[in-house]
Amino acid sequence: GEDVEQSLFLSVREGDSSVINCTYTDSSSTYLYWYKQEPGAGLQLLTYIFSNMDMKQDQRLTVLLNKKDKHLSLRIADTQTGDSAIYFCAELATGRRALTFGSGTRLQVQP
Amino acid sequence: NAGVTQTPKFQVLKTGQSMTLQCAQDMNHNSMYWYRQDPGMGLRLIYYSASEGTTDKGEVPNGYNVSRLNKREFSLRLESAAPSQTSVYFCASSYSGTGESPLHFGNGTRLTVT
Repeated sequence: GEDVEQSLFLSVREGDSSVINCTYTDSSSTYLYWYKQEPGAGLQLLTYIFSNMDMKQDQRLTVLLNKKDKHLSLRIADTQTGDSAIYFCAELATGRRALTFGSGTRLQVQP
Repeated sequence: NAGVTQTPKFQVLKTGQSMTLQCAQDMNHNSMYWYRQDPGMGLRLIYYSASEGTTDKGEVPNGYNVSRLNKREFSLRLESAAPSQTSVYFCASSYSGTGESPLHFGNGTRLTVT
């Protein structure tokens, strides 16, 4: 999706923290999402944040939203090999009925 | 719970052939979607159905048609397949299509057009 951008690849060592970044262009975005895709599978919702929030934490996951810079990040603490996957950022803009997805960030976790 | 079920899982077509991708959900969701996933391009919306009886075009509808057969089923048809339609196709559903009703995805159909 041209309205949502992500870096393509991130490599971390097991036990380190991972930070996956996303930028979006539509200032009317109401909800922003992080999805995870494992090989050969569909996307699974990890977490989402409403646009009036700055941060959301859910166990090992922390989402940060900077509305001024239109920047979203996903931090995974204590990254495990099972976290290796493609992570998609997505937005839902006001008036739209479907999400716009980024191109995905492939996270590789090295033992 | 089965969730969102897509058939077939894999398909190879020759240019000009037609086929229908099937999708069914058992979560009583109102909204259903078809996306295609291409390398480096993320997911792009082909068509969606906000509720039973309605369908709308997404970002890349050309070459496709859809049918919302009933509340559970939403099919995607390729009338005359082209190599540019080689992709992974995902069906998704949500309860209301609003922000607090996240998408649930099927496992995808991998289509190759030669």
